Amino acid sequence: RKEVEQDPGPFNVPEGATVAFNCTYSNSASQSFFWYRQDCRKEPKLLMSVYSSGNEDGRFTAQLNRASQYISLLIRDSKLSDSATYLCVVRFNDYKLSFGAGTTVTVRA
Amino acid sequence: GAVVSQHPSRVICKSGTSVKIECRSLDFQATTMFWYRQFPKQSLMLMATSNEGSKATYEQGVEKDKFLINHASLTLSTLTVTSAHPEDSSFYICSAISPLGGREGEQYFGPGTRLTVT
Repeated sequence: RKEVEQDPGPFNVPEGATVAFNCTYSNSASQSFFWYRQDCRKEPKLLMSVYSSGNEDGRFTAQLNRASQYISLLIRDSKLSDSATYLCVVRFNDYKLSFGAGTTVTVRA
Repeated sequence: GAVVSQHPSRVICKSGTSVKIECRSLDFQATTMFWYRQFPKQSLMLMATSNEGSKATYEQGVEKDKFLINHASLTLSTLTVTSAHPEDSSFYICSAISPLGGREGEQYFGPGTRLTVT
């Protein structure tokens, strides 16, 4: 069983739409959670951390459900520049990160 | 923000040869760096944790004699793929944690090295 699982998508949405997707993680002892963004053939870049109470960063909202072991990301008012692969990332008790395979989002004009 | 570079960005080599990839932290010292590998449409998989001045810690299933890691200074870690085979073709990415700050848990990733073994 993979440590972090994501719906690969793709999610194809028009500009201005809202898109949301989840990931699940298998280790209940996981301590920290993140969403990274990866553009085609580039390195991942941190989008935002995910806190238990849920948090927003501009048009991006992240939620964590520890009981069900899933994390969500919602993007409001999608922009063309939001087209990317979004990686769900989990950290256990040190700096090692476990990555999901990513959810691909394509925003069309 | 912290900058991590990798060299080369792309390399093509023949089967059986060895390839060295460099990972440098440009504006900070990194006692710990990480090496990942990513196959197409798959997740980044941690290969090993590189510790300055000591042996690397390899993840289960990663052959330490095939993937040699050297972290001889606080700004440089190298990964050498020895006796490369076509199945080693992949995107290799390094990362480091910067003591300069940044957001919690943020690892700064190098731009990656795309290795193709023919």
